[in-house]
Amino acid sequence: DAGVIQSPRHEVTEMGQEVTLRCKPISGHNSLFWYRQTMMRGLELLIYFNNNVPIDDSGMPEDRFSAKMPNASFSTLKIQPSEPRDSAVYFCASSLWGGETQYFGPGTRLLVL
Amino acid sequence: DQQVKQNSPSLSVQEGRISILNCDYTNSMFDYFLWYKKYPAEGPTFLISISSIKDKNEDGRFTVFLNKSAKHLSLHIVPSQPGDSAVYFCAASDGGANNLFFGTGTRLTVIP
Repeated sequence: DAGVIQSPRHEVTEMGQEVTLRCKPISGHNSLFWYRQTMMRGLELLIYFNNNVPIDDSGMPEDRFSAKMPNASFSTLKIQPSEPRDSAVYFCASSLWGGETQYFGPGTRLLVL
Repeated sequence: DQQVKQNSPSLSVQEGRISILNCDYTNSMFDYFLWYKKYPAEGPTFLISISSIKDKNEDGRFTVFLNKSAKHLSLHIVPSQPGDSAVYFCAASDGGANNLFFGTGTRLTVIP
């Protein structure tokens, strides 16, 4: 069984560049979550989709962040322009019908220089 | 403001002994609690959960205790094994997955 797939696993970029993170949820799951993990704040929910529709994006830090889910098997999180304070590990997770038991991908470690 | 707090960033335990990981929360509306385990370079994986209508839930070596009056949650691992060495996250929900709040994690090291 393929779990949640994220790419790239590591991303190093320079301040001001656009960064796109990708996620493929578990087949059959209809809820998808993007989280950011930092040492200071732990895991924070950025945005949540249900049936490809964004339900809650109140965790998205600012307009530089955007997320899309064009179909049930793919989502992107874009940062444009990126800043050093965006450096973190970004996780994608999926679940059935927004269930609390979420299945996480391996994460993308982002470093913005 | 952190609504879910794990005040111990790290814990070391001898193999075979009990590991106790603690978690405190501030929101009395939380009604479902989970523990996730995370190995390096992997995403968190679900370990065990408990509903607010219970005060204990057991799954093999893992037991979660909930003290609602103290707004306190704990995870007991007995006996601890070296493979349990990981970061453990406590999470709480007030009724919807989009309201899942995580703590900052506790790194458990089980010494052989």
